Amino acid sequence: GAVVSQHPSRVICKSGTSVKIECRSLDFQATTMFWYRQFPKKSLMLMATSNEGSKATYEQGVEKDKFLINHASLTLSTLTVTSAHPEDSSFYICSARSSSPNTGELFFGEGSRLTVL
Amino acid sequence: KQEVTQIPAALSVPEGENLVLNCSFTDSAIYNLQWFRQDPGKGLTSLLLIQSSQREQTSGRLNASLDKSSGRSTLYIAASQPGDSATYLCAVYTGANSKLTFGKGITLSVRP
Repeated sequence: GAVVSQHPSRVICKSGTSVKIECRSLDFQATTMFWYRQFPKKSLMLMATSNEGSKATYEQGVEKDKFLINHASLTLSTLTVTSAHPEDSSFYICSARSSSPNTGELFFGEGSRLTVL
Repeated sequence: KQEVTQIPAALSVPEGENLVLNCSFTDSAIYNLQWFRQDPGKGLTSLLLIQSSQREQTSGRLNASLDKSSGRSTLYIAASQPGDSATYLCAVYTGANSKLTFGKGITLSVRP
């Protein structure tokens, strides 16, 4: 299957700093990428849909100024957690849908564990 | 609103058993259904994708079926192994550009 690479896999930061997580589709072009957050022993919560060349669409309750998403190319989307606080500590996972063929199949990255001290 | 249910939340079986994981969804107007595996602290690995026009898909020891009219899918794992221990999630996709709706997953433990 297609490969989605996510970096970094783990990051620890101090409260008040900003953290950037990258999501790359390695062997296909992705017009749409998705960012999820997962709490311990819970299912995935969709945070936002990222479309190449346009603004992201955020789910209800997700602060767009807190979680900045940029999808500048067909292979890269970034999530920046701004002024991170301990409650932002979580597992963040991105996914990408291949633009061709459009079967609708989603491929996921390995996830990024964020710990805010 | 689409809702996806996976019951039970956890399952423990001895090695070698054939087992069935169930998934149900409320809105039968789906585009496709996807089964994933998630290991602790890891991302999701796509196991099988079933398009709405298909009734089943097979990959190795895994077989997934889809019955749209009844809103159900099953993931069949043959001859289970300890390495199959993981959380299995099913997700439905209800349109060409809409979101994936996930179940909460079934945590499977296969005992040696």
